[in-house]
Amino acid sequence: QITLKESGPTLVKPTQTLTLTCTFSGFSLSTSGVGVSWIRQPPGKALEWLALIYWDDDKRYSPSLKSRLTITKDTSKNQVVLTMTNMDPVDTATYYCAHRQNPGSPADYWGQGTLVTVSS
Amino acid sequence: QSALTQPASVSGSPGQSITISCTGTSSDVGGYNYVFWYQQHPGKTPKLMIYDVSNRPSGVSNRFSGSKSGNTASLTISGLQAEDEADYYCSSYTTSTTWVFGGGTKLTVL
Repeated sequence: QITLKESGPTLVKPTQTLTLTCTFSGFSLSTSGVGVSWIRQPPGKALEWLALIYWDDDKRYSPSLKSRLTITKDTSKNQVVLTMTNMDPVDTATYYCAHRQNPGSPADYWGQGTLVTVSS
Repeated sequence: QSALTQPASVSGSPGQSITISCTGTSSDVGGYNYVFWYQQHPGKTPKLMIYDVSNRPSGVSNRFSGSKSGNTASLTISGLQAEDEADYYCSSYTTSTTWVFGGGTKLTVL
């Protein structure tokens, strides 16, 4: 059974850096074709894909946020970490991590999400 | 890259069929057979309903089907049920080797 869980701060101040950790089980991030995405959803708004890291450490970022995002993995710990710099109130959202293995898919199985509020 | 275009809302009565459209460009929807549909009930996590334009994951009802023509993909739900009331999002792979989501469609079962 594939499970993912996001963890990190629930409140960050403007200009601070957000660090979120995705801890997963039920799959290995060293298996060919496997990846983990980060996707966010502001309250009452649509989903937005942020980043994805592949089993071979290849990385992809949303073009509009690329300068602010870094995604890394620790295969031995079954974790993926997303950092987002220079946080702003518009970044307030539920942040999801998700497993993907279908070619071309951003997300097959999703974590429960974690709400991050940006406020001074 | 711009978000894919979906109608803000659709509605239908129990037993009817509805279709939700998802319009992109030749750089995303039209360029690949990598279109995905997700269902999200209020306060819940999104669930994959269709992958690769028209394939259903195990456990998803065959009342859900997907298709694509040119730069527009579609999700059809037949035999509408009250439990289908939710938000639906499409997503597509892009020529930038990234992904884009649609703005979401709220389905109301009358």
